[in-house]
Amino acid sequence: DAGITQSPRHKVTETGTPVTLRCHQTENHRYMYWYRQDPGHGLRLIHYSYGVKDTDKGEVSDGYSVSRSKTEDFLLTLESATSSQTSVYFCAISEGSGYEQYFGPGTRLTVT
Amino acid sequence: DQQVKQNSPSLSVQEGRISILNCDYTNSMFDYFLWYKKYPAEGPTFLISISSIKDKNEDGRFTVFLNKSAKHLSLHIVPSQPGDSAVYFCAASGVGGGSNYKLTFGKGTLLTVNP
Repeated sequence: DAGITQSPRHKVTETGTPVTLRCHQTENHRYMYWYRQDPGHGLRLIHYSYGVKDTDKGEVSDGYSVSRSKTEDFLLTLESATSSQTSVYFCAISEGSGYEQYFGPGTRLTVT
Repeated sequence: DQQVKQNSPSLSVQEGRISILNCDYTNSMFDYFLWYKKYPAEGPTFLISISSIKDKNEDGRFTVFLNKSAKHLSLHIVPSQPGDSAVYFCAASGVGGGSNYKLTFGKGTLLTVNP
């Protein structure tokens, strides 16, 4: 298994509070991604990173920001959580073009 | 606009028989295709992939077929086993999928293999 961990694994938070999810890899892969999975939608890309301090938006980036100050860590921040951000969040890593993405175990976030 | 479509939300097969999961795509610029398997409460696991220069790739019980003219790919599992019961996601990548090797996923098909 690829060395990817996510923390926390479960979180319950209130509407309006900030939340940060962490993804940590030990594979030294250049690319890192954040997805959310919701019933009826499959996996949707939120943000991705193609190197330290290099990030870009995915298809559902509104309400989310990311940071990558080290190769191994990719942080996803919800500045002010809303109930629509209740979801399961997955981090993924890849070496690059034509390579598979490997996923972490996920973080289940509930916004009440 | 959904670029990768898995039109069957669920599929049920008997143990030992063949499972065929289908996927259609609309963007002709996709050039790399993948299948992932996902068990409940776990992250998706890479299963098998195929490049657009091929029309078939096989790995043990799993074979992926690609028909570029029809923009269609399928995953065959033979023989199916109860442990194969999971959600299967089709994904595509390439210039049409955006830069920086992003994957575009279908919504998934829940496969149930009955003993």
